[in-house]
Amino acid sequence: SQQGEEDPQALSIQEGENATMNCSYKTSINNLQWYRQNSGRGLVHLILIRSNEREKHSGRLRVTLDTSKKSSSLLITASRAADTASYFCATDADYGQNFVFGPGTRLSVLP
Amino acid sequence: DSGVTQTPKHLITATGQRVTLRCSPRSGDLSVYWYQQSLDQGLQFLIQYYNGEERAKGNILERFSAQQFPDLHSELNLSSLELGDSALYFCASSPRTRGDTQYFGPGTRLTVL
Repeated sequence: SQQGEEDPQALSIQEGENATMNCSYKTSINNLQWYRQNSGRGLVHLILIRSNEREKHSGRLRVTLDTSKKSSSLLITASRAADTASYFCATDADYGQNFVFGPGTRLSVLP
Repeated sequence: DSGVTQTPKHLITATGQRVTLRCSPRSGDLSVYWYQQSLDQGLQFLIQYYNGEERAKGNILERFSAQQFPDLHSELNLSSLELGDSALYFCASSPRTRGDTQYFGPGTRLTVL
């Protein structure tokens, strides 16, 4: 099964609302990263949070990491139609397997 | 634009054929990663090269192989193609290796008929 799994699988909100996506993982990690993918295009790196960090901000993005619960959340505030995309978390485990991506959350922001 | 280039953008071929996908990493990046993305399997890590040497292997089939050349560009070879190999193939690069941010190319869409 996936190391990282996003929840929900799909999310539909109105422009201006906040969107929250969650990621759970199974093993100890060095860092966790969030990526965005517009339909059929390459992934774009959003933010990296290290295992010793609890929260990080970048513009309208806020990422939290709870290593005790092995989970992370991505909050997009004041969403825009251009935020419509799939969002993936990727974990870098501290042993063995390379970067592992979850199945993603498909976000739709309606105008 | 991530700085990672992939060619070709689209590839249509028949079952049993062999194709080569090409990737040029960002200037200065030493690591190249290959991923396969299909509707039913999601984004699957295939293989990583670091400065010309294989560094990590994921869910790569024996029919697939890759290499990284001295100029750091990489090629992914897919042979004896099957219908199920139809997917988007992404290349990514990073400055070093484990833990780095990966920068993704635009992908090659492979259709096997």
